[in-house]
Amino acid sequence: QVELVQSGAALKKPGASVRVSCKASGYTITSHGITWVRQAPGQGLEWMGWISPYNGDTKFAQKYQGRVTLTTDTSTNTVYMEVRSLRSDDTAVYFCARSVGGSCDYWGQGTLVTVSS
Amino acid sequence: EIVMTQSPATLSVSPGERATLSCRASQNIDYDLAWYQQKPGQAPRRLIYGASTRATGIPARFSGSGSGTEFTLTISSLQSEDFAVYYCQQYKKWPLYSFGQGTKVEI
Repeated sequence: QVELVQSGAALKKPGASVRVSCKASGYTITSHGITWVRQAPGQGLEWMGWISPYNGDTKFAQKYQGRVTLTTDTSTNTVYMEVRSLRSDDTAVYFCARSVGGSCDYWGQGTLVTVSS
Repeated sequence: EIVMTQSPATLSVSPGERATLSCRASQNIDYDLAWYQQKPGQAPRRLIYGASTRATGIPARFSGSGSGTEFTLTISSLQSEDFAVYYCQQYKKWPLYSFGQGTKVEI
């Protein structure tokens, strides 16, 4: 069965970076894109970006361009998201999700990233 | 950027009643729309894609309709487990596959 398992919660200081992992199982990771979505406390879903594990192609919402990096390690079926120059308003739950035709059919459990001094 | 607007923000219904949720796109997205359900502390779950195709394992009481800029999610007879927040998402136009702000369905 398809499963996406994300890394655990992180506490970071403003200005630091965080890397969140998303390990896929139950399917060939290069066959589908991975989307990243975040959700600030009590807020809605926000689409951040997408990566093709097949060729490394990426797409980002403009507000994340240049501050977020997505990478894939096909040897471990893992996708990584790095966010740099963290601010307090980056405090959120970050989700990875398998993208099929644009919509997301399987989701990771979410990773809480807290940015606080 | 395509802006997705959902209404109402909150929908109060009783178990067994019908619920109708709306989603409007700021420009034409054809049928490139998905609906998700999210319960507290959980990841979203895809209900509908292609505006009207139910995802695997989704009960028949959930149905989606619409095209272009106007879309509807209908829950024909609300069950206790359906009380949640529902989001629409367009995937017509890169690079931002935007979500609506959500509709909370409450008792």
